[in-house]
Amino acid sequence: DQQVKQNSPSLSVQEGRISILNCDYTNSMFDYFLWYKKYPAEGPTFLISISSIKDKNEDGRFTVFLNKSAKHLSLHIVPSQPGDSAVYFCAASARPNAGNMLTFGGGTRLMVKP
Amino acid sequence: GAGVSQSPRYKVAKRGQDVALRCDPISGHVSLFWYQQALGQGPEFLTYFQNEAQLDKSGLPSDRFFAERPEGSVSTLKIQRTQQEDSAVYLCASSFSRTLRGRQETQYFGPGTRLLVL
Repeated sequence: DQQVKQNSPSLSVQEGRISILNCDYTNSMFDYFLWYKKYPAEGPTFLISISSIKDKNEDGRFTVFLNKSAKHLSLHIVPSQPGDSAVYFCAASARPNAGNMLTFGGGTRLMVKP
Repeated sequence: GAGVSQSPRYKVAKRGQDVALRCDPISGHVSLFWYQQALGQGPEFLTYFQNEAQLDKSGLPSDRFFAERPEGSVSTLKIQRTQQEDSAVYLCASSFSRTLRGRQETQYFGPGTRLLVL
């Protein structure tokens, strides 16, 4: 059973508009959430994270929202740029947990059109 | 500074062959993780080291998979008698320390080793 799900395998957005990527989770023990961005032939690159004690975290063009009651998080990118085109993974970790292994969703491929 | 490096970047193995995948974590990082990423899926946890101690190997899919980090820095993931289902990208990640109470440590990933078993 997938504990972290990204139900949209792909998303296409026009440059300058908002991109919204969604992620749902089932494990109520998850208390820390991360978004990673992945280009082809490269490893995932950390983007932004949020602790379960918060409902929003912002870093430049990137904002992550967490709705614990719905077990849902989203990543907003405003404004979207062609260089944002990549696969985005959400990941979660739970404590107590030795080393905080990450549980990943299946990824959403974002395409930002010029 | 240098990030996480992995070698080889690509490996083609014949079924039944043993392979060894290497990971050089970021200098000073205590925690090291291995993940397996199948095509079109997200990475899945394999095993975790804190320094040289392997604290969690619950994700290793079979006893053909073995990982070590003897001196607490470089790690090797070994797969014996490779099977076609082992074909995947193997990702290594490191973080500065294990979790301190109330704090989480971001994992930084290497570029991965793409393994193809024929």
